[in-house]
Amino acid sequence: KQEVTQIPAALSVPEGENLVLNCSFTDSAIYNLQWFRQDPGKGLTSLLLIQSSQREQTSGRLNASLDKSSGRSTLYIAASQPGDSATYLCAGMDSNYQLIWGAGTKLIIKP
Amino acid sequence: GAGVSQSPSNKVTEKGKDVELRCDPISGHTALYWYRQSLGQGLEFLIYFQGNSAPDKSGLPSDRFSAERTGGSVSTLTIQRTQQEDSAVYLCASSLDTGGDYGYTFGSGTRLTVV
Repeated sequence: KQEVTQIPAALSVPEGENLVLNCSFTDSAIYNLQWFRQDPGKGLTSLLLIQSSQREQTSGRLNASLDKSSGRSTLYIAASQPGDSATYLCAGMDSNYQLIWGAGTKLIIKP
Repeated sequence: GAGVSQSPSNKVTEKGKDVELRCDPISGHTALYWYRQSLGQGLEFLIYFQGNSAPDKSGLPSDRFSAERTGGSVSTLTIQRTQQEDSAVYLCASSLDTGGDYGYTFGSGTRLTVV
């Protein structure tokens, strides 16, 4: 059964720092991978989608990579800002086209 | 519409009452998904639709939960005889299809509180 682990569970860093969030899968048979952010009391906002034929995606200060062979994905946030504070979730699509979710990393950027 | 719309945004109901939650997906999105997120927990898959059919109902927690989708568009999730453990945020997402080449777009959710 596919399981997703996100490390760290929580992270607090000063504004301006670069940081990396990690996501790993027990089964490397991941079709695609999507990173989301969730603000308190709000829904999910899609950040980046890495499709089956891709290895990474970039959007502004965000870069996500996927290594299927090792079952790992990372989300890199450059020059962090207080507005980046949120919970970040990764979700991998399995062979049944179902999303398998990590528990999230709660990120706090201190001004 | 421009995004996935869910209504109501908040619902407080008495234990034992029935509730209906509505999801209006992005126009043209054939795939629609329902998830539940309990306080401090991860997302729990409930059900998905491809068009009007629901190939996988395995995630529904009990027979008190049902969902339908008509016209390949709006979906309703119905919870009968609500219990306190049904309190959660119910999230709906849509995608162009279930094939995995397209990402999911989520609505803002319905926060259900059973008292």
